[in-house]
Amino acid sequence: DAKTTQPNSMESNEEEPVHLPCNHSTISGTDYIHWYRQLPSQGPEYVIHGLTSNVNNRMASLAIAEDRKSSTLILHRATLRDAAVYYCILVGRNNFGNEKLTFGTGTRLTIIP
Amino acid sequence: DAGVIQSPRHEVTEMGQEVTLRCKPISGHNSLFWYRQTMMRGLELLIYFNNNVPIDDSGMPEDRFSAKMPNASFSTLKIQPSEPRDSAVYFCASSTSRDRLETYGYTFGSGTRLTVV
Repeated sequence: DAKTTQPNSMESNEEEPVHLPCNHSTISGTDYIHWYRQLPSQGPEYVIHGLTSNVNNRMASLAIAEDRKSSTLILHRATLRDAAVYYCILVGRNNFGNEKLTFGTGTRLTIIP
Repeated sequence: DAGVIQSPRHEVTEMGQEVTLRCKPISGHNSLFWYRQTMMRGLELLIYFNNNVPIDDSGMPEDRFSAKMPNASFSTLKIQPSEPRDSAVYFCASSTSRDRLETYGYTFGSGTRLTVV
């Protein structure tokens, strides 16, 4: 499985933007970049995903480097409810359907009031 | 959409007993995944199914663990006999792939917290 590297932890002030980095230098041409987050005592929650172009949705933005070897999840205005562990995961496809998600240790984001 | 539904939410059982965890994926999703989460090992994939067929069960710890998906709307994870080291939160997730070019977000259930005493 292609691996990702994320900082163990980050802090951000409430109501400020947060940029969560992820390195994936061994990404293959068909791998999608997925981001999930896990709030305390909850299951992982899908945030956003992309292939080559930058992506925006109601939760966040995903900026993908031109060579696809890194990406950044952007929370435009962090709130206390965004405190969670954020996982960057590469997802491929097999002949049967979707590939498995392999979770690393993620980045624990702390929001400072 | 009710999302991925897991039951029970909490299970406390004695060592040696059989435990069955249940999962109902989102209607129309064709992939289903079972994960286990502990403080020491994080989130680990146990097994996953595509179109009700097990694709990869290499994460199943040992023969005490078994999983089935008899139809597209139901899956079970069984532990027999259970041991204290099986205590963890077990998550079920489902996803869809509508075409060969796009993969979509995976939806997780709320998990089953299993305690084996």
